[in-house]
Amino acid sequence: EAQVTQNPRYLITVTGKKLTVTCSQNMNHEYMSWYRQDPGLGLRQIYYSMNVEVTDKGDVPEGYKVSRKEKRNFPLILESPSPNQTSLYFCASSPQGCGELFFGEGSRLTVL
Amino acid sequence: GENVEQHPSTLSVQEGDSAVIKCTYSDSASNYFPWYKQELGKRPQLIIDIRSNVGEKKDQRIAVTLNKTAKHFSLHITETQPEDSAVYFCAASKEVSSASKIIFGSGTRLSIRP
Repeated sequence: EAQVTQNPRYLITVTGKKLTVTCSQNMNHEYMSWYRQDPGLGLRQIYYSMNVEVTDKGDVPEGYKVSRKEKRNFPLILESPSPNQTSLYFCASSPQGCGELFFGEGSRLTVL
Repeated sequence: GENVEQHPSTLSVQEGDSAVIKCTYSDSASNYFPWYKQELGKRPQLIIDIRSNVGEKKDQRIAVTLNKTAKHFSLHITETQPEDSAVYFCAASKEVSSASKIIFGSGTRLSIRP
């Protein structure tokens, strides 16, 4: 089954404790992206990647890191999480960065 | 950079009536405009999209119109049903071979009254 898989789906952590949200897709898509969803703000792009070893900042990259060592994986790293990073995070992929985005199920992160 | 504004933020319509959601964009070079539907607790999913070489596209009860001159596009849902209740997001992007940023609107929460 074609899908985008994120883990963990839910996480409560404390300020400053490094965490990684994994994202994996099995559709051989070149483009992958991370979004955060906050009430009234829609989906804001954090980082995106057009291909392996190619990443670029979205609109709200501060406090986040990403890597794209393999085509299928695009982890989101919060080196020192802060409460303003409490949000619902979505990973998405598409064949070539244009056209339909396929979203993961979302990861709800709470930073205390 | 691109900015996408979406209105209204909430919309309540009687079952069977039509619903219209409007978006405006700022970058005249944008040429791809998708609409996503997000049901409660679920992931966003593409329901319809339009490219700048057409002015209207229909898929059963859903249609999207695009006015390039005014830089706005709209989603029209006719004969609304309870399962249409969801949050709808518009988006705009430039389809180019290299890096691509997809900018979303802030979303519209559509409620269908029985």
